[in-house]
Amino acid sequence: NAGVTQTPKFQVLKTGQSMTLQCAQDMNHNSMYWYRQDPGMGLRLIYYSASEGTTDKGEVPNGYNVSRLNKREFSLRLESAAPSQTSVYFCASSGLAVNTDTQYFGPGTRLTVL
Amino acid sequence: GQQVMQIPQYQHVQEGEDFTTYCNSSTTLSNIQWYKQRPGGHPVFLIQLVKSGEVKKQKRLTFQFGEAKKNSSLHITATQTTDVGTYFCAEDNQAGTALIFGKGTTLSVSS
Repeated sequence: NAGVTQTPKFQVLKTGQSMTLQCAQDMNHNSMYWYRQDPGMGLRLIYYSASEGTTDKGEVPNGYNVSRLNKREFSLRLESAAPSQTSVYFCASSGLAVNTDTQYFGPGTRLTVL
Repeated sequence: GQQVMQIPQYQHVQEGEDFTTYCNSSTTLSNIQWYKQRPGGHPVFLIQLVKSGEVKKQKRLTFQFGEAKKNSSLHITATQTTDVGTYFCAEDNQAGTALIFGKGTTLSVSS
């Protein structure tokens, strides 16, 4: 039981490049989330998916798109990376959307945009 | 918008001293969760508090939920080097579909 997995672990991009961060969970959870973590800013929600087939914006969605490919997988895409998107990205999942069940986090992707 | 205020932002203690972090919300909460993130790691769930005035203990960690359900605290008794990390509180968003995290309190412990 791997829990929540994320790929890649590290990535360096040049400004304007695009990339997709992958996330998968094997806990049969309904809800999945993408956060970014910057020093002194805590965890900020980018997008979430309360169930397969639905996605919603979080606090900081600009510059990102997401796809809930199936129940297991939730990807985050940067179409044209900017230095302001340098951050650590965490994917998380939870069993239920309502009443926000415990969230389980992946190990993170450390992204640098030059 | 909805905010979760967490203080202090940083705390350094000597091993064996106590530590407390506080979380205050602008709204009345249905519940609050606490997470711990070790340096270089990812957040890990610690506990959820639901009832007004609730107090829960996990070994040296004591969690409290305020009577008005607008604040919460985490107290660590006799800190150890293994307690190092950032502690986050998190509350439901207004729709109840996601969590809003505080900015965290980073604890460092010197032996």
